[in-house]
Amino acid sequence: AQKITQTQPGMFVQEKEAVTLDCTYDTSDPSYGLFWYKQPSSGEMIFLIYQGSYDQQNATEGRYSLNFQKARKSANLVISASQLGDSAMYFCAMREGDGYGNKLVFGAGTILRVKS
Amino acid sequence: GAGVSQSPSNKVTEKGKDVELRCDPISGHTALYWYRQSLGQGLEFLIYFQGNSAPDKSGLPSDRFSAERTGGSVSTLTIQRTQQEDSAVYLCASSLTGFAQYFGPGTRLTVL
Repeated sequence: AQKITQTQPGMFVQEKEAVTLDCTYDTSDPSYGLFWYKQPSSGEMIFLIYQGSYDQQNATEGRYSLNFQKARKSANLVISASQLGDSAMYFCAMREGDGYGNKLVFGAGTILRVKS
Repeated sequence: GAGVSQSPSNKVTEKGKDVELRCDPISGHTALYWYRQSLGQGLEFLIYFQGNSAPDKSGLPSDRFSAERTGGSVSTLTIQRTQQEDSAVYLCASSLTGFAQYFGPGTRLTVL
């Protein structure tokens, strides 16, 4: 079974509008971490935001926020006030366990295109 | 400070040749990871080093793949007798805490 599911292969958003990128996950481990990465056309993976399974509040980093719904096992990324530079591939990833450096399991990604 | 660096950025090789890919993690990061990104398989974990512990090699696809990390810093991923299906972008990442892994720019490997 897929551990990370991103159901939107591609998304369009108008500049300055907000957009939500979906991510659902599957794990039986009570301790886990959820991550979002951005991969522009240059290829580098850029860390955006992190949510721990025991965190009570949704994570926020500037224009990025993570809508964490634990019961639904979803960790959607919300980008507010989209900019042209937000056009990229976005990956949701999960680390199972609270081990110091457990591997990340990635979803298939969502391509976001911001229109002017 | 400097991020994760990888070399070469591009590598074209002939089928059957050996290749070495290098990763310099962020200074002070004790954990180092290799991933592979290909069109058909997405992002796959290959191997993980943590300090002096034995590496987690569970993601290596075959015994043609090996990696080492010298002095707790630089890592080299070696692919022996390359095959066309090895063509991919090989990404290295490092981390200090259990939270975020920081990635390098990758090495694009093309096997002809």
